[in-house]
Amino acid sequence: DIQMTQSPSSLSASVGDRVTITCRASRSISVYLNWYQQKPGKAPKLLIYAASSLQTGVPSRFSGSGSGTDFTLTISSLQPEDFAAYYCQQTYSTIYTFGQGTKLEIK
Amino acid sequence: QITLKESGPTLLKPTQTLTLTCNFSGFSLNTGGVGVGWIRQPPGKALEWLALIYWNDDTRYSPSLKSRLTITKDTSKNQVVLSMTNMDPVDTATYYCARRGFGELLGTAWFDPWGQGTLVTVSS
Repeated sequence: DIQMTQSPSSLSASVGDRVTITCRASRSISVYLNWYQQKPGKAPKLLIYAASSLQTGVPSRFSGSGSGTDFTLTISSLQPEDFAAYYCQQTYSTIYTFGQGTKLEIK
Repeated sequence: QITLKESGPTLLKPTQTLTLTCNFSGFSLNTGGVGVGWIRQPPGKALEWLALIYWNDDTRYSPSLKSRLTITKDTSKNQVVLSMTNMDPVDTATYYCARRGFGELLGTAWFDPWGQGTLVTVSS
C-alpha cells in the first residue's frame, strides 16, 4: 500500500494568515493526489484534484502543488469558513489511501 | 445534479453483518470510468477508504479489510451495496459512499460528490 503522511496534524492560525499543509507519499504517485475539506458533522468536500486543479466552485485562495512524493495545499488568506479538517488522498494505486488529516483551528 | 445517499442499520451487535446501500442519482454506473466507493470515519478519527466498484464490475478492497468486505452494484436501481461481516465495536464509524470521478487526460481520479454519511454503532 502507499502510505500518505500529512503534516502538521493540527495547526492554529488567524483569519488572513497564509497556511500550508504538506502531504508526503511513501512512493512516487505522479500527480494522483487530491485534497478534501471536512467541516464538523459534514461529509468531505473535494477542493483540489490531480495535485493542482481547483474543483469548480472552490475559492481561488485554495491552491495545490507538487508531484512525485511531496505535495502542498495552500490557503492564501484564511477566512472564518476555512477552519476545518483537511485530508489528502492518493489514487495512483488502485488501493486508494488517505492521509491522517490536518485540523486547522482558530488561534 | 449528482447525489448519493447511504442507508442501513444504525446499531449492530458484535459478529453481525453490516449491509449498507448507496442510492445515487445524476449519473450512470454504466458509463466508462465511473465508480462508486465506500469510505468510513470512526468518531474523531481520519477517513479510511474501504472499497470501490467500477462501471465494468471490477472491484477493489482495502487490504486490511478485504476478507470481510463485499461490494456489488445494481445499475437498474442506481444502487451500490457494501457488506461487512463479523462487525466489531472498532467498526463503529460514519460510513460514506462517493462517486469516483476521473480525468481522461491523465487518468487521475477522485471522490466527488459524497453522500451525507450514516453512523453505524456496534455494541452489545
